[in-house]
Amino acid sequence: GDSVTQMEGPVTLSEEAFLTINCTYTATGYPSLFWYVQYPGEGLQLLLKATKADDKGSNKGFEATYRKETTSFHLEKGSVQVSDSAVYFCALSDDTGTASKLTFGTGTRLQVTL
Amino acid sequence: ETGVTQTPRHLVMGMTNKKSLKCEQHLGHNAMYWYKQSAKKPLELMFVYNFKEQTENNSVPSRFSPECPNSSHLFLHLHTLQPEDSALYLCASSQPGQTYGYTFGSGTRLTVV
Repeated sequence: GDSVTQMEGPVTLSEEAFLTINCTYTATGYPSLFWYVQYPGEGLQLLLKATKADDKGSNKGFEATYRKETTSFHLEKGSVQVSDSAVYFCALSDDTGTASKLTFGTGTRLQVTL
Repeated sequence: ETGVTQTPRHLVMGMTNKKSLKCEQHLGHNAMYWYKQSAKKPLELMFVYNFKEQTENNSVPSRFSPECPNSSHLFLHLHTLQPEDSALYLCASSQPGQTYGYTFGSGTRLTVV
């Protein structure tokens, strides 16, 4: 079945540091890929997405590129802020045409300090 | 405002109580989901409703009973829960066939005592 593997956290960075959170996946077919973010006490919010190979999703300074050859969708940001502290989830969608089922990774907690 | 509203935000219930969680979306989506989020565990998909019909039940114990009266509303009825059922319960919606991903509610933090 489909699966998503994320690097274990927590990831602790100083403000303005470069961020990478690794995500790899296994899937049949051609899934869409997503990054969601969960701030403390909240539900998940869509951060960015990519629907086909070589697509780059970007939002709020975060980027991720759909790499089919390495089955990866790593999240990057050039300069993190304290407000980026949250849990980040990588996910894929099976896009079967009915209710698209999202498979999530276990989440990676990011903590940014001054 | 996320477009998906969950109530209540917090719930404490005894093991013999009966309660319900409510989810409402005004996004015109036709698929709705219940997820369970426990500490240090992956998000667990519980139920999927597609055009009001349940299309997935991931071996969820019968003490959790979903109800989807229309495409905008989803309930999770709870009875005789166990302490290990304490978790954040998340509702989400999507439009089948679209690659927009899900829109999540803020969740209900459930504590079973």
